[in-house]
Amino acid sequence: QSALTQPASVSGSPGQSITISCTGTSSDVGDYNYVSWYQHHPGKAPRLMIYEVSYRPSGVSSRFSGSKSGTTASLTISGLQAEDEADYHCSSYTTSNTWVFGGGTKLTVL
Amino acid sequence: QLQLQESGPGLVKPSETLSLTCTVSGVSISSNIFYWGWIRQPPGKGLEWIGARSYSGNTHHNPSLKSRVTTSLDTSKNRFSLRLTSVTAADTAVYYCVREYSANYKIDYWGQGTLVTVSS
Repeated sequence: QSALTQPASVSGSPGQSITISCTGTSSDVGDYNYVSWYQHHPGKAPRLMIYEVSYRPSGVSSRFSGSKSGTTASLTISGLQAEDEADYHCSSYTTSNTWVFGGGTKLTVL
Repeated sequence: QLQLQESGPGLVKPSETLSLTCTVSGVSISSNIFYWGWIRQPPGKGLEWIGARSYSGNTHHNPSLKSRVTTSLDTSKNRFSLRLTSVTAADTAVYYCVREYSANYKIDYWGQGTLVTVSS
């Protein structure tokens, strides 16, 4: 199974919006709406931010939103804040009943 | 509040077996709606899913690791374990234990991770 493709890094200024893409195939992102996004501050447990493409778990800010078109999913963070600086990982369930992850994107808040 | 905590040796010799345990607090692992699994992240690389097991014994594993991986649950101690045999330097990684919620296909809780280095 090939990893999902994410940009290595993105950046934005406080208050701005950024979008992180996650590109897969017809065997994962394109076939299921089981795409998730995780926020990971180094040394801490990764945190689920988005599941099933666009649903937010309880406690996650509405500044985080997800979407999907074809084989590409996206995470948008609006009103960037300093504490949003972290690594972001996408994942998808696959037609082989496995999980596949992206390579991770480092978000820098300028 | 659900918490997962990994434990095990931080250093394993090549060709030996890596063994990790994840202790769960805040919820019983004796439920068929969850899978209890493992994910790793080699230094400088992305996350790699290893595999998971449910209380009823259903499993799913990464095909690239399946022949070397064993997962098990110990309900008496509310913990679960990973064994990875014949390790090489390529198995050096931070290992995370996780909960998979099978109802809507999400990995919703993670441990903080533990670094395992494979070296002689």
